[in-house]
Amino acid sequence: LAKTTQPISMDSYEGQEVNITCSHNNIATNDYITWYQQFPSQGPRFIIQGYKTKVTNEVASLFIPADRKSSTLSLPRVSLSDTAVYYCLLNQAGTALIFGKGTTLSVSS
Amino acid sequence: DAGVIQSPRHEVTEMGQEVTLRCKPISGHDYLFWYRQTMMRGLELLIYFNNNVPIDDSGMPEDRFSAKMPNASFSTLKIQPSEPRDSAVYFCASSFSRTPGTGELFFGEGSRLTVL
Repeated sequence: LAKTTQPISMDSYEGQEVNITCSHNNIATNDYITWYQQFPSQGPRFIIQGYKTKVTNEVASLFIPADRKSSTLSLPRVSLSDTAVYYCLLNQAGTALIFGKGTTLSVSS
Repeated sequence: DAGVIQSPRHEVTEMGQEVTLRCKPISGHDYLFWYRQTMMRGLELLIYFNNNVPIDDSGMPEDRFSAKMPNASFSTLKIQPSEPRDSAVYFCASSFSRTPGTGELFFGEGSRLTVL
């Protein structure tokens, strides 16, 4: 079973910032928080990973509060091409990723 | 590197036939994963290997499914005999354990299986 909870779906418009929050109340000390993106007919693709505080890359930002029981993926100024399923996962070195249902993000013009 | 390569991309077969899916991981990666994705069940982990050794096959649905990794550059997932409920997209992914953090998974484009 997936160890995270996230909204089933979200809608947005082009140019807006999108924040997807994930709950992981039972996160373990060795768990990293990882987000993947999946477009139709493609395999999931890594977006960002963090352990605590804030991580930013060219695609997104990941905000992790001190208690690490939740995290927020932030996508700045989304475009139509950001329409996809976004998965929040917890994983440790040497273990496999267990995917939940993810959040289906729909971006409209 | 060309990424994770899977074949065939599409396969249509009849119930009872043997199906073999193939995967070539990214060179140098030491973990290989097989996932299955359906609308109803989402993305399910079937089995994964570390240095060609199966680590966890608890996700393999039943004895009709088997997976092998004879060397670091090749893995197969076999279904014998196939059934209509096996229809799904099967993904292979690989990762490198020494990547900082927990290692990014690189997925192939998937093999879409239809069992009639």
